[in-house]
Amino acid sequence: DGGITQSPKYLFRKEGQNVTLSCEQNLNHDAMYWYRQDPGQGLRLIYYSQIVNDFQKGDIAEGYSVSREKKESFPLTVTSAQKNPTAFYLCASSPDGAKNIQYFGAGTRLSVL
Amino acid sequence: AQSVTQPDIHITVSEGASLELRCNYSYGATPYLFWYVQSPGQGLQLLLKYFSGDTLVQGIKGFEAEFKRSQSSFNLRKPSVHWSDAAEYFCAVGSLSGNTPLVFGKGTRLSVIA
Repeated sequence: DGGITQSPKYLFRKEGQNVTLSCEQNLNHDAMYWYRQDPGQGLRLIYYSQIVNDFQKGDIAEGYSVSREKKESFPLTVTSAQKNPTAFYLCASSPDGAKNIQYFGAGTRLSVL
Repeated sequence: AQSVTQPDIHITVSEGASLELRCNYSYGATPYLFWYVQSPGQGLQLLLKYFSGDTLVQGIKGFEAEFKRSQSSFNLRKPSVHWSDAAEYFCAVGSLSGNTPLVFGKGTRLSVIA
């Protein structure tokens, strides 16, 4: 089945630890996005990538890093510099020329131990 | 810069009643407009979209939305709400310039009571 797969569904981070959230899509979409969701805050953009080997910071990039080595993969690393990482993280993708329509994965919930 | 305002944080309606969720946007031209729905602990699902043309657009699950340029609004409506419609709803605006990220409102949580 085509779609966007985020893993794991639940993730726990210890103090000072880096963790990586996986996002894979088999839709052949060019653009991929990471959002953070907190209660009452809506979706806030962390990073996005419109093409392989290129990405841009969003509104809340501090404490996060990404890579885009393959078209189908856009992993997000939550570094130890992110002091409040507990949130729901959503990955999305969009095909070129799609007038911004974004398709979302099921999300990863990250908590701090 | 683009922005989206959803004035209602939480709305409660009775099952079978009509629903209207408000969305106002700020953008220099006619934008692309979207409504998404999110069930608890899930990703977002596209309900409907507006690009151009007819200002009343139909979506999935019996939802519709009307684009009003004069009011910079894109309100979501449903004539008769079902208990399964309880979820969070997000309005979003996109740029005409291509695959740039959507800007989302903060969402409206819909509760449905019997």
